[in-house]
Amino acid sequence: DQQVKQNSPSLSVQEGRISILNCDYTNSMFDYFLWYKKYPAEGPTFLISISSIKDKNEDGRFTVFLNKSAKHLSLHIVPSQPGDSAVYFCAASGNNYGQNFVFGPGTRLSVLP
Amino acid sequence: ETGVTQSPTHLIKTRGQQVTLRCSSQSGHNTVSWYQQALGQGPQFIFQYYREEENGRGNFPPRFSGLQFPNYSSELNVNALELDDSALYLCASSPLGGGVPYEQYFGPGTRLTVT
Repeated sequence: DQQVKQNSPSLSVQEGRISILNCDYTNSMFDYFLWYKKYPAEGPTFLISISSIKDKNEDGRFTVFLNKSAKHLSLHIVPSQPGDSAVYFCAASGNNYGQNFVFGPGTRLSVLP
Repeated sequence: ETGVTQSPTHLIKTRGQQVTLRCSSQSGHNTVSWYQQALGQGPQFIFQYYREEENGRGNFPPRFSGLQFPNYSSELNVNALELDDSALYLCASSPLGGGVPYEQYFGPGTRLTVT
């Protein structure tokens, strides 16, 4: 049973446009959410996070939105750049010390020049 | 500042054998977590070590075990290897209790192939 779902295995976006990556979760005990991106042959790199007390967090071109009632979060990248092409993982956690992160299966983003 | 390093990069083992994977945490980080990433899936939490003690475990059998050393480096040991253990094994370190509490820094991983 997947507790964190990313239903789009892949996404292609034109350079300069907005990329929207979606994530759904089933466990209502999750209270902290993160996005990681992963390039080939590298480990995942932390991108942005949001706690359940917020519904939006912004960092430069990256914004994460959280809809707790729908158990849904999304990552917006504006404007998208070719260097953003990577696999993006949504992850969730339900305690104060970061143990037991639950990751989604990932979405492969391709930003076309 | 040195990032998270893992060794070896690649490893091929035979079913039934034992394997040890190693991880050096980022400078100043006292917590290490291990994840298994099968092909086409997200990382799956195996366990976490804090101050040389196991501090949480995912849904993995006891043949997956670990150690953390006084310098906060860590080992993942897998006994009686099975074909399904073939995966990318990721180590992540974090400064538990300081900074952003949930932020974990990942190493590049060890690719284990069991034949």
